Amino acid sequence: GNSVTQMEGPVTLSEEAFLTINCTYTATGYPSLFWYVQYPGEGLQLLLKATKADDKGSNKGFEATYRKETTSFHLEKGSVQVSDSAVYFCALSGAGSYQLTFGKGTKLSVIP
Amino acid sequence: EAQVTQNPRYLITVTGKKLTVTCSQNMNHEYMSWYRQDPGLGLRQIYYSMNVEVTDKGDVPEGYKVSRKEKRNFPLILESPSPNQTSLYFCASSLKGGDYEQYFGPGTRLTVT
Repeated sequence: GNSVTQMEGPVTLSEEAFLTINCTYTATGYPSLFWYVQYPGEGLQLLLKATKADDKGSNKGFEATYRKETTSFHLEKGSVQVSDSAVYFCALSGAGSYQLTFGKGTKLSVIP
Repeated sequence: EAQVTQNPRYLITVTGKKLTVTCSQNMNHEYMSWYRQDPGLGLRQIYYSMNVEVTDKGDVPEGYKVSRKEKRNFPLILESPSPNQTSLYFCASSLKGGDYEQYFGPGTRLTVT
């Protein structure tokens, strides 16, 4: 079946540091890939997505590129802010599937 | 305002006492889903619905029931709750599921003693 593996957290960074959160997946065919973010006390919200190989999703300074050859979708941001402190979830939707499979989440804390 | 609402937001109950968590969306979405979030396990899908009267099991359906009689509502029913169902529950909706964006409710924190 489909699965998503994210780097273990928590991750603590200083403001303006570079962020990478690794995500790899297992799926048949060509899934769609997502990053969702959960701010404290809230539900998840879509951060970015990519639906085919080599696509780059981007939003709010975050980027992730769909790499079919390495089955990866790593999340990056060049300069994090305190307001980016949240839990980040990588997810996939299998080709032709109605379901979304999530990774376990990575908690990011950004300190001033 | 487009949104997914859940009620109640917090619930403490006892083992075996039937309960229902309601979920409603105002975006005319076809797809709705329930997830539970547990520390170290991330989000796991309980049930989902592709449209009215069409539901299917997710990854952890045991102990839960759902119904979809109207497009906007998708209640989650625990017929006989047990302590291992203590969790944070999220309802979500999307236009059609699959690679469409899912919109999440604010969550319901359930404690079963």
